[in-house]
Amino acid sequence: ETGVTQSPTHLIKTRGQQVTLRCSSQSGHNTVSWYQQALGQGPQFIFQYYREEENGRGNFPPRFSGLQFPNYSSELNVNALELDDSALYLCASSFRGGTEAFFGQGTRLTVV
Amino acid sequence: EDQVTQSPEALRLQEGESSSLNCSYTVSGLRGLFWYRQDPGKGPEFLFTLYSAGEEKEKERLKATLTKKESFLHITAPKPEDSATYLCAVQPFAQGGSEKLVFGKGTKLTVNP
Repeated sequence: ETGVTQSPTHLIKTRGQQVTLRCSSQSGHNTVSWYQQALGQGPQFIFQYYREEENGRGNFPPRFSGLQFPNYSSELNVNALELDDSALYLCASSFRGGTEAFFGQGTRLTVV
Repeated sequence: EDQVTQSPEALRLQEGESSSLNCSYTVSGLRGLFWYRQDPGKGPEFLFTLYSAGEEKEKERLKATLTKKESFLHITAPKPEDSATYLCAVQPFAQGGSEKLVFGKGTKLTVNP
């Protein structure tokens, strides 16, 4: 089991609401990446944080935003939720320049 | 555009029946190729990272190999507990940029007893 923890594990929100997902990275890791995984698909890169700054972004609108804190934990915020935002949100922890990336167990978000 | 294609989409094996999963990729510059195992509703579990053509890595019944255009995950004498979705991802070189992973859709493996 990895040292990457995500909270909450499940969440149900109404369309138009805002949500915050949290991730604690593995000890010694300084980089956090967020991915969205729709049912039956591979994870899609949302963005990555290194040294508390966004360091690369995938094809996601600005209503997806994030933060990284001095202890390397991270948050993913999604505003104005849409039905298509329903997915498994995954956080990956790594050491920049390293050889491995470890995922948390994910947060299952359902938008109704 | 960086792209990963995995085949087959689904594979059913009998216990003990060895087989291989394929991962074809196109990438501007390959920093690494990653294999993960994912159980339903869970996060991906790291298996291997490969860096250069000809490289091989093994873990229990799994062996991953890499060429310039594809990677194979060989499963020898699989057991029912090997049933999962296997994901392949490439990490492109990006100077000063992100170390993102570009994933395929995965191969869903079912091993029957």
